[in-house]
Amino acid sequence: EAGVAQSPRYKIIEKRQSVAFWCNPISGHATLYWYQQILGQGPKLLIQFQNNGVVDDSQLPKDRFSAERLKGVDSTLKIQPAKLEDSAVYLCASSLVGGGSTDTQYFGPGTRLTVL
Amino acid sequence: AQSVTQLGSHVSVSEGALVLLRCNYSSSVPPYLFWYVQYPNQGLQLLLKYTSAATLVKGINGFEAEFKKSETSFHLTKPSAHMSDAAEYFCAVSAGANNLFFGTGTRLTVIP
Repeated sequence: EAGVAQSPRYKIIEKRQSVAFWCNPISGHATLYWYQQILGQGPKLLIQFQNNGVVDDSQLPKDRFSAERLKGVDSTLKIQPAKLEDSAVYLCASSLVGGGSTDTQYFGPGTRLTVL
Repeated sequence: AQSVTQLGSHVSVSEGALVLLRCNYSSSVPPYLFWYVQYPNQGLQLLLKYTSAATLVKGINGFEAEFKKSETSFHLTKPSAHMSDAAEYFCAVSAGANNLFFGTGTRLTVIP
């Protein structure tokens, strides 16, 4: 079974530029999550989708971050414009059901973003 | 609100020694608790989870954790450390919506 795929693995940009990350969850998983992991901290949930609807985006800085999950499969997370404090690893995860269950979340390898 | 506190950002043990990584949680409702491991440049992998069944939970790679409600703890243990256990370990809590709240992590070093 293929795992969660993410690309790119690494990205370096200048502040005020825009950047996008892509995630392909495990086939058949209804729920998709984006986490931000700043160096030295645990991952923090940015947004959770169930199928193609948003379940929770309370921690997403909506003035600069956006995310979509078209057709309930792949997802894209965008930052525009980027700030220095956005430097982090962006992790995508998926689970079979989600939404109140204790389904295991499976994580991708992450995208390491450096903002200069 | 839910949160976890991991005591000790770095833990060093000798190969073959007991591994003990501490986690205390706070939750306004009965929690679900998780331990994840992260190897360098990789995503997180689930070690084990507590979902209100048995309080002693066995996971992969010989790890186990015990849920103690009176102490609000969910410490991770392994009887004998192996070099391959060197990694970062995260405790997490969830309550209802399957949103995970992670601790700040404990980096485990295994000394040969």
